[in-house]
Amino acid sequence: QSVLTQPPSASGTPGQRVTISCSGSTSNIGSNTVNWYQQLPGTAPKVFIYTNNQRPSGVPDRFFGAKSGTSASLTISGLQSEDEADYYCATWDDSLTAWVFGGGTKLTVL
Amino acid sequence: EVQIMESGGGLVQPGGSLRLSCAASGFTFSSYEMNWVRQGPGTGLEWISNINKDGSLIFYAASVKGRFSISRDNADNSLYLQMNSLRVEDTGIYYCARESPPVMVTAVGAFDLWGQGTMVTVSS
Repeated sequence: QSVLTQPPSASGTPGQRVTISCSGSTSNIGSNTVNWYQQLPGTAPKVFIYTNNQRPSGVPDRFFGAKSGTSASLTISGLQSEDEADYYCATWDDSLTAWVFGGGTKLTVL
Repeated sequence: EVQIMESGGGLVQPGGSLRLSCAASGFTFSSYEMNWVRQGPGTGLEWISNINKDGSLIFYAASVKGRFSISRDNADNSLYLQMNSLRVEDTGIYYCARESPPVMVTAVGAFDLWGQGTMVTVSS
């Protein structure tokens, strides 16, 4: 059972917009910024969003991160087949004194 | 080239020990906090441990506290994870991850560089 809650799966057709949610509590998302990681099959994770809504260089502006209260979200617009991957939210938990990850959301492009 | 590379994984019996290493290159290793993150077979990411720049502050996940020990050698640009009393549920890919500093005072960092991972299998 992960500290951060994500839907196990999400899907969309090419060109559609998809949003992945991440729910936490006051000790983690409510107190700290959120990062999102993309993991393609058989590869190491890669940071896609940091500090709630910042994109590293090379990440398309189709990816948008947001945070409100104890929840965060990752929105992907103009869905493309190459976006098919697992996505994880993560932040620091002040009570646990630990980094915490969501359980991951498998995004399928239909 | 900026990279980190793990080694030391393998097959070990329950109750056994293993030491993982992570070699960093292409950046000033001593300027970054470092972490270990693992991923069980077909499961999600689980953070294991964090060590600050000079090794004076360390955090562990509850699942490994008392069994695993993180350390670093800044002179050798290396990060280590000593794993003792291994359990079947410790099986997985172990990643070394660099933690970028926060972009502002009220933010946390991010794992901006990952190794390719090393596989640890605990089985009899």
